[in-house]
Amino acid sequence: AQKITQTQPGMFVQEKEAVTLDCTYDTSDQSYGLFWYKQPSSGEMIFLIYQGSYDEQNATEGRYSLNFQKARKSANLVISASQLGDSAMYFCAMREGRGKAAGNKLTFGGGTRVLVKP
Amino acid sequence: EAQVTQNPRYLITVTGKKLTVTCSQNMNHEYMSWYRQDPGLGLRQIYYSMNVEVTDKGDVPEGYKVSRKEKRNFPLILESPSPNQTSLYFCASSVRTSGTFSSYNEQFFGPGTRLTVL
Repeated sequence: AQKITQTQPGMFVQEKEAVTLDCTYDTSDQSYGLFWYKQPSSGEMIFLIYQGSYDEQNATEGRYSLNFQKARKSANLVISASQLGDSAMYFCAMREGRGKAAGNKLTFGGGTRVLVKP
Repeated sequence: EAQVTQNPRYLITVTGKKLTVTCSQNMNHEYMSWYRQDPGLGLRQIYYSMNVEVTDKGDVPEGYKVSRKEKRNFPLILESPSPNQTSLYFCASSVRTSGTFSSYNEQFFGPGTRLTVL
C-alpha cells in the first residue's frame, strides 16, 4: 500500500481563488511529520510547510495552510489567493518514527500539478 | 550562501559507462541523502548518510553506490548505468529546525541532475 497518496494528478485554479490539494497517508507510527514541497518548472524543491503528528493546531505559513485531520489520516494543503507563480508541481511527504535515520527520511506522494489561470 | 550543489546538472550517457554525480553542501550538515524522481512516483530515497563514513541503503539502492569521506561531499556513483536509471536525481542535506509548534529535520535539496542513459 502506498504510504502517501495524492489523488489529484492535475488541476486548474483561477487566479486569486483558493485551492486545496489532497494528501492522505498511511502509517502505524504515533510520531510522524508531514511536509509539502513545491517544484516549479525549473525543477528545484521548495519547502512550504510542516505539520507534526502531535501538533494540536494546523500549520500555517503565509498563504499556505495545512488542513490536518489526524483521524482521517489526511493532510491537505490549502493555498489561498492563488498567484500565477503558484503554477507548479506539489508534493506531500511524510517522515515516520523517531531517531536520526527515520527522522530524516521522507516518503513522497506522486504529486499534483497545479496550473493557475489568469 | 548556504546551499547544496550538484554536478553535472544534465548528463546523457550510454549503458555501462561508469559515472559519478557529485553533491556538496556548505552548511556543515551531518545527514545527507540521494533521491530519484520519476513521473507519478514522486521522490524515492536511494542512499543516505548520517555522518562521515556512515552510509546506508534507502528504498531503491540497486545499481547505485555512495561514499562519504568528507562531511560536505556525498557523491552518487553508477558503476554500470542502465536505461532504467534515467531519472531526475536530487541530493539533500538536513538540519534540525524549530517550527511553529514542533521541531523537524528540514531538508535542503540541491538543484537536481537530469540523467539520461541510452
